Amino acid sequence: DAKTTQPNSMESNEEEPVHLPCNHSTISGTDYIHWYRQLPSQGPEYVIHGLTSNVNNRMASLAIAEDRKSSTLILHRATLRDAAVYYCILGTSYGKLTFGQGTILTVHP
Amino acid sequence: GAGVSQSPSNKVTEKGKDVELRCDPISGHTALYWYRQSLGQGLEFLIYFQGNSAPDKSGLPSDRFSAERTGGSVSTLTIQRTQQEDSAVYLCASSLDRAETQYFGPGTRLLVL
Repeated sequence: DAKTTQPNSMESNEEEPVHLPCNHSTISGTDYIHWYRQLPSQGPEYVIHGLTSNVNNRMASLAIAEDRKSSTLILHRATLRDAAVYYCILGTSYGKLTFGQGTILTVHP
Repeated sequence: GAGVSQSPSNKVTEKGKDVELRCDPISGHTALYWYRQSLGQGLEFLIYFQGNSAPDKSGLPSDRFSAERTGGSVSTLTIQRTQQEDSAVYLCASSLDRAETQYFGPGTRLLVL
Protein backbone atom coordinates (compact mmCIF):
# COMPACT_ATOMS: atom_id res chain seq x y z
CA ASP A 1 0.00 0.00 0.00
CA ALA A 2 1.20 3.51 -0.84
CA LYS A 3 2.24 5.47 2.25
CA THR A 4 1.45 8.94 3.48
CA THR A 5 3.55 11.29 5.59
CA GLN A 6 1.99 13.78 7.98
CA PRO A 7 3.37 16.01 10.73
CA ASN A 8 2.98 14.45 14.16
CA SER A 9 1.18 17.46 15.58
CA MET A 10 -0.12 20.92 14.76
CA GLU A 11 -1.67 23.70 16.77
CA SER A 12 -4.22 26.33 15.91
CA ASN A 13 -6.27 29.02 17.56
CA GLU A 14 -10.02 28.93 17.58
CA GLU A 15 -11.73 30.52 14.56
CA GLU A 16 -8.52 30.56 12.54
CA PRO A 17 -7.96 28.48 9.40
CA VAL A 18 -5.94 25.29 9.68
CA HIS A 19 -3.97 23.70 6.86
CA LEU A 20 -3.05 20.08 7.48
CA PRO A 21 -0.48 18.79 4.98
CA CYS A 22 0.02 15.28 3.68
CA ASN A 23 2.71 13.90 1.39
CA HIS A 24 2.05 10.84 -0.74
CA SER A 25 4.82 10.73 -3.31
CA THR A 26 4.18 7.08 -4.27
CA ILE A 27 0.49 7.56 -5.01
CA SER A 28 -0.83 5.59 -7.97
CA GLY A 29 -3.22 6.86 -10.58
CA THR A 30 -6.21 5.04 -9.07
CA ASP A 31 -5.61 5.96 -5.42
CA TYR A 32 -8.17 8.23 -3.84
CA ILE A 33 -7.01 10.59 -1.08
CA HIS A 34 -9.16 10.18 2.01
CA TRP A 35 -9.18 12.16 5.23
CA TYR A 36 -10.67 10.81 8.42
CA ARG A 37 -10.47 12.23 11.91
CA GLN A 38 -10.72 10.60 15.30
CA LEU A 39 -11.97 12.49 18.31
CA PRO A 40 -10.90 11.26 21.74
CA SER A 41 -12.51 7.95 22.70
CA GLN A 42 -14.46 7.70 19.44
CA GLY A 43 -14.17 5.77 16.21
CA PRO A 44 -12.80 7.55 13.13
CA GLU A 45 -15.10 9.87 11.25
CA TYR A 46 -15.04 10.54 7.52
CA VAL A 47 -14.04 14.10 6.60
CA ILE A 48 -13.51 14.32 2.85
CA HIS A 49 -11.96 12.55 -0.12
CA GLY A 50 -10.84 13.34 -3.65
CA LEU A 51 -9.00 12.01 -6.66
CA THR A 52 -7.59 14.89 -8.72
CA SER A 53 -9.70 18.01 -8.31
CA ASN A 54 -10.06 20.12 -5.18
CA VAL A 55 -13.12 19.22 -3.13
CA ASN A 56 -15.30 21.13 -0.72
CA ASN A 57 -17.92 19.92 1.72
CA ARG A 58 -19.57 21.25 4.85
CA MET A 59 -16.71 20.09 7.03
CA ALA A 60 -13.60 21.03 5.10
CA SER A 61 -11.83 21.56 1.80
CA LEU A 62 -9.26 19.31 0.18
CA ALA A 63 -6.59 20.86 -2.01
CA ILE A 64 -4.73 18.34 -4.18
CA ALA A 65 -1.44 19.21 -5.83
CA GLU A 66 -1.34 19.02 -9.60
CA ASP A 67 1.10 16.08 -9.50
CA ARG A 68 -1.02 14.45 -6.75
CA LYS A 69 2.05 13.85 -4.61
CA SER A 70 0.70 15.99 -1.80
CA SER A 71 -2.56 17.33 -0.49
CA THR A 72 -3.80 19.71 2.17
CA LEU A 73 -6.88 19.46 4.34
CA ILE A 74 -8.26 22.91 5.10
CA LEU A 75 -10.48 23.65 8.06
CA HIS A 76 -11.71 27.16 7.36
CA ARG A 77 -12.48 28.15 10.94
CA ALA A 78 -11.20 25.82 13.60
CA THR A 79 -13.39 25.17 16.63
CA LEU A 80 -12.55 23.39 19.86
CA ARG A 81 -14.58 20.45 18.57
CA ASP A 82 -12.11 20.07 15.69
CA ALA A 83 -9.38 18.94 18.08
CA ALA A 84 -8.67 15.39 16.94
CA VAL A 85 -6.21 13.13 15.19
CA TYR A 86 -6.45 13.66 11.44
CA TYR A 87 -5.53 10.78 9.15
CA CYS A 88 -4.60 11.13 5.49
CA ILE A 89 -5.13 7.79 3.77
CA LEU A 90 -4.72 6.51 0.24
CA GLY A 91 -7.58 4.22 -0.68
CA THR A 92 -7.78 1.96 -3.68
CA SER A 93 -10.91 0.71 -5.40
CA TYR A 94 -10.51 -2.32 -3.15
CA GLY A 95 -11.71 -0.42 -0.08
CA LYS A 96 -9.20 -1.31 2.62
CA LEU A 97 -7.83 1.76 4.40
CA THR A 98 -4.29 1.81 5.75
CA PHE A 99 -4.08 4.27 8.62
CA GLY A 100 -0.80 5.96 9.53
CA GLN A 101 -0.05 7.80 12.76
CA GLY A 102 -1.96 10.91 11.72
CA THR A 103 -1.61 14.52 12.87
CA ILE A 104 -2.74 15.49 16.35
CA LEU A 105 -4.50 18.84 16.01
CA THR A 106 -4.72 21.00 19.12
CA VAL A 107 -7.07 23.98 19.03
CA HIS A 108 -6.51 26.74 21.55
CA PRO A 109 -9.40 28.92 22.73
CA GLY B 1 -30.64 6.61 10.82
CA ALA B 2 -28.86 4.10 13.01
CA GLY B 3 -25.11 3.98 12.68
CA VAL B 4 -22.72 1.11 13.19
CA SER B 5 -23.12 -0.43 16.62
CA GLN B 6 -20.72 -2.65 18.51
CA SER B 7 -21.06 -4.75 21.62
CA PRO B 8 -19.91 -4.98 24.25
CA SER B 9 -18.53 -1.49 24.64
CA ASN B 10 -16.00 -2.76 27.16
CA LYS B 11 -14.73 -6.25 27.86
CA VAL B 12 -12.32 -7.40 30.54
CA THR B 13 -11.13 -10.98 30.33
CA GLU B 14 -8.45 -13.22 31.70
CA LYS B 15 -5.51 -14.42 29.69
CA GLY B 16 -6.37 -17.66 27.92
CA LYS B 17 -10.10 -17.06 27.68
CA ASP B 18 -12.00 -16.72 24.40
CA VAL B 19 -13.91 -13.53 23.57
CA GLU B 20 -16.51 -12.63 20.97
CA LEU B 21 -17.01 -9.09 19.72
CA ARG B 22 -20.12 -8.15 17.76
CA CYS B 23 -20.68 -5.59 15.01
CA ASP B 24 -24.02 -4.48 13.58
CA PRO B 25 -23.35 -2.57 10.36
CA ILE B 26 -25.57 0.06 8.81
CA SER B 27 -28.50 -1.61 7.08
CA GLY B 28 -27.85 -2.15 3.40
CA HIS B 29 -24.09 -1.80 3.63
CA THR B 30 -22.42 -4.65 1.79
CA ALA B 31 -18.85 -4.06 2.98
CA LEU B 32 -17.74 -4.60 6.57
CA TYR B 33 -14.29 -4.06 8.06
CA TRP B 34 -12.61 -4.85 11.36
CA TYR B 35 -9.68 -2.77 12.63
CA ARG B 36 -7.66 -2.81 15.83
CA GLN B 37 -6.20 0.18 17.63
CA SER B 38 -3.65 -0.44 20.34
CA LEU B 39 -2.99 2.24 22.94
CA GLY B 40 -1.50 5.33 21.31
CA GLN B 41 -1.30 3.66 17.91
CA GLY B 42 -3.00 4.09 14.57
CA LEU B 43 -5.61 1.71 13.24
CA GLU B 44 -4.53 -1.71 12.02
CA PHE B 45 -6.66 -3.48 9.41
CA LEU B 46 -7.76 -6.98 10.41
CA ILE B 47 -10.36 -8.38 8.02
CA TYR B 48 -12.79 -7.28 5.31
CA PHE B 49 -16.09 -8.74 4.10
CA GLN B 50 -17.71 -7.77 0.81
CA GLY B 51 -21.07 -9.27 -0.04
CA ASN B 52 -20.84 -13.01 -0.62
CA SER B 53 -17.18 -12.93 -1.62
CA ALA B 54 -14.51 -14.69 0.40
CA PRO B 55 -13.28 -12.36 3.13
CA ASP B 56 -9.85 -10.75 3.02
CA LYS B 57 -8.18 -12.10 6.16
CA SER B 58 -4.74 -10.72 5.36
CA GLY B 59 -4.64 -8.48 8.44
CA LEU B 60 -5.42 -11.08 11.09
CA PRO B 61 -2.36 -11.25 13.37
CA SER B 62 -2.57 -14.94 14.22
CA ASP B 63 -4.78 -18.00 13.83
CA ARG B 64 -6.30 -17.21 17.22
CA PHE B 65 -8.29 -14.51 15.45
CA SER B 66 -11.29 -15.32 13.27
CA ALA B 67 -14.39 -13.54 12.07
CA GLU B 68 -17.60 -14.37 10.36
CA ARG B 69 -20.46 -12.44 8.88
CA THR B 70 -23.82 -14.13 8.93
CA GLY B 71 -26.47 -13.35 6.33
CA GLY B 72 -24.43 -10.47 5.00
CA SER B 73 -25.21 -8.39 8.07
CA VAL B 74 -23.98 -8.92 11.63
CA SER B 75 -20.33 -9.84 12.11
CA THR B 76 -18.56 -11.49 15.02
CA LEU B 77 -14.83 -11.25 15.68
CA THR B 78 -13.58 -14.10 17.86
CA ILE B 79 -10.27 -14.14 19.69
CA GLN B 80 -9.31 -17.52 21.14
CA ARG B 81 -6.90 -17.99 24.03
CA THR B 82 -6.52 -14.26 24.53
CA GLN B 83 -3.11 -12.80 25.32
CA GLN B 84 -2.26 -9.51 27.02
CA GLU B 85 -1.03 -8.07 23.72
CA ASP B 86 -4.57 -8.48 22.37
CA SER B 87 -5.66 -5.60 24.61
CA ALA B 88 -6.84 -2.84 22.29
CA VAL B 89 -9.89 -1.09 20.91
CA TYR B 90 -11.51 -3.18 18.20
CA LEU B 91 -13.33 -1.04 15.64
CA CYS B 92 -15.84 -2.11 13.06
CA ALA B 93 -16.76 -0.09 9.98
CA SER B 94 -19.22 -0.58 7.16
CA SER B 95 -19.66 1.00 3.76
CA LEU B 96 -22.32 0.92 1.08
CA ASP B 97 -19.91 -0.86 -1.21
CA ARG B 98 -16.18 -1.34 -1.31
CA ALA B 99 -14.23 1.89 -1.80
CA GLU B 100 -17.15 3.92 -0.48
CA THR B 101 -16.96 6.04 2.67
CA GLN B 102 -16.52 3.90 5.77
CA TYR B 103 -18.66 4.54 8.81
CA PHE B 104 -17.11 3.45 12.07
CA GLY B 105 -18.71 2.15 15.23
CA PRO B 106 -17.67 3.31 18.71
CA GLY B 107 -15.43 0.30 19.23
CA THR B 108 -15.06 -2.40 21.85
CA ARG B 109 -12.35 -1.80 24.43
CA LEU B 110 -10.78 -5.15 25.27
CA LEU B 111 -8.54 -5.57 28.28
CA VAL B 112 -6.82 -8.90 28.82
CA LEU B 113 -5.51 -9.34 32.35
